[in-house]
Amino acid sequence: DAKTTQPPSMDCAEGRAANLPCNHSTISGNEYVYWYRQIHSQGPQYIIHGLKNNETNEMASLIITEDRKSSTLILPHATLRDTAVYYCIVEPTAGGTSYGKLTFGQGTILTVHP
Amino acid sequence: DAGITQSPRHKVTETGTPVTLRCHQTENHRYMYWYRQDPGHGLRLIHYSYGVKDTDKGEVSDGYSVSRSKTEDFLLTLESATSSQTSVYFCAISAGGDTDTQYFGPGTRLTVL
Repeated sequence: DAKTTQPPSMDCAEGRAANLPCNHSTISGNEYVYWYRQIHSQGPQYIIHGLKNNETNEMASLIITEDRKSSTLILPHATLRDTAVYYCIVEPTAGGTSYGKLTFGQGTILTVHP
Repeated sequence: DAGITQSPRHKVTETGTPVTLRCHQTENHRYMYWYRQDPGHGLRLIHYSYGVKDTDKGEVSDGYSVSRSKTEDFLLTLESATSSQTSVYFCAISAGGDTDTQYFGPGTRLTVL
């Protein structure tokens, strides 16, 4: 079973920031928060991950609360090409006993409107 | 993009026939995974490999077997295909470690009639 809870869908205007929330209240100390997205019919694409500090890369920012029970993925300037299903996943890394297996939930369908 | 290819990309077969899907990587990553994706279920792990000849079952392994004789190739076999195995199959790879991420292939659409 997925260990995260996400809203089933969200809308965002093009050019605005998209803030996607994720609850993971049972996260363990050795589990990372990963975000992937899947554009229609393509393979999932890695976006970002973090353990407890906020992270930023060229695609997005990840804000993790201090108690680590929730996080927010921020796409700073959403474009039409960001329309996709966004998955929030919590798992240990492949270096641990879980061998990096990912458990996907239903994710959030983000629709970016012109 | 990570060097992952899947073959075939599309296949139609009949119930009871054997089917083998191939995942090939050029990244020399240690870990490889097979997932299936069906409407209403998201992606589910079938089998995974943590090294050459080292494989294990995932969440939905019944009816599937895998083999990894070389680092670059991970084969998924349906010994006797059933209609319930009609799905889109994705392969993924990971280097492992604290910064590991999974990179996914383009997928194989399999239809079992």
